[in-house]
Amino acid sequence: NAGVTQTPKFRILKIGQSMTLQCTQDMNHNYMYWYRQDPGMGLKLIYYSVGAGITDKGEVPNGYNVSRSTTEDFPLRLELAAPSQTSVYFCASSRLEEGTIYFGEGSWLTVV
Amino acid sequence: EDQVTQSPEALRLQEGESSSLNCSYTVSGLRGLFWYRQDPGKGPEFLFTLYSAGEEKEKERLKATLTKKESFLHITAPKPEDSATYLCAVLTYSGGGADGLTFGKGTHLIIQP
Repeated sequence: NAGVTQTPKFRILKIGQSMTLQCTQDMNHNYMYWYRQDPGMGLKLIYYSVGAGITDKGEVPNGYNVSRSTTEDFPLRLELAAPSQTSVYFCASSRLEEGTIYFGEGSWLTVV
Repeated sequence: EDQVTQSPEALRLQEGESSSLNCSYTVSGLRGLFWYRQDPGKGPEFLFTLYSAGEEKEKERLKATLTKKESFLHITAPKPEDSATYLCAVLTYSGGGADGLTFGKGTHLIIQP
């Protein structure tokens, strides 16, 4: 029972580089989310999706892009990485809009 | 703006010493309140969902309660393995869609043997 799987676990980027954080879920959930977690701060919503082909901005979307071509996958793209994007990123999913949200193990990103 | 405040920020207890964690919220319309546990280097792990004032849920040494303004996570006779950060989050009607959860900053709980 894999649940929500994120890759990579750790990554170091140089300022200005781009990368994609991968996320896949095997629970057939319609709703998927990307959060970031900074030390001493609560989790902040970056982007979310209510189904394949539909995405929307969360609280902190600047500097990121997403796509949802399938129910299972929800990659997060970082363009022109900046030090402010150093954080832990969590992908999550839920079956229903008011259902329990399940999280992946996280991706630690450092921008230097 | 929806706000979730957790207290205390950190709590150190002796094994067997019961206590409570607080989550107070100011939201326009509550759809649900969630408690998660997060271990170092891991993603949040779901514990409970509460939907209406007066509701209570229990799991092993944990019991979550909900009023119209706050939720408590009671920990009875805790063990060292209960050490973790406990996160509270709310799902509200204000976004009109699947806006996800608004999280508090968490309470870092340490249970000493």
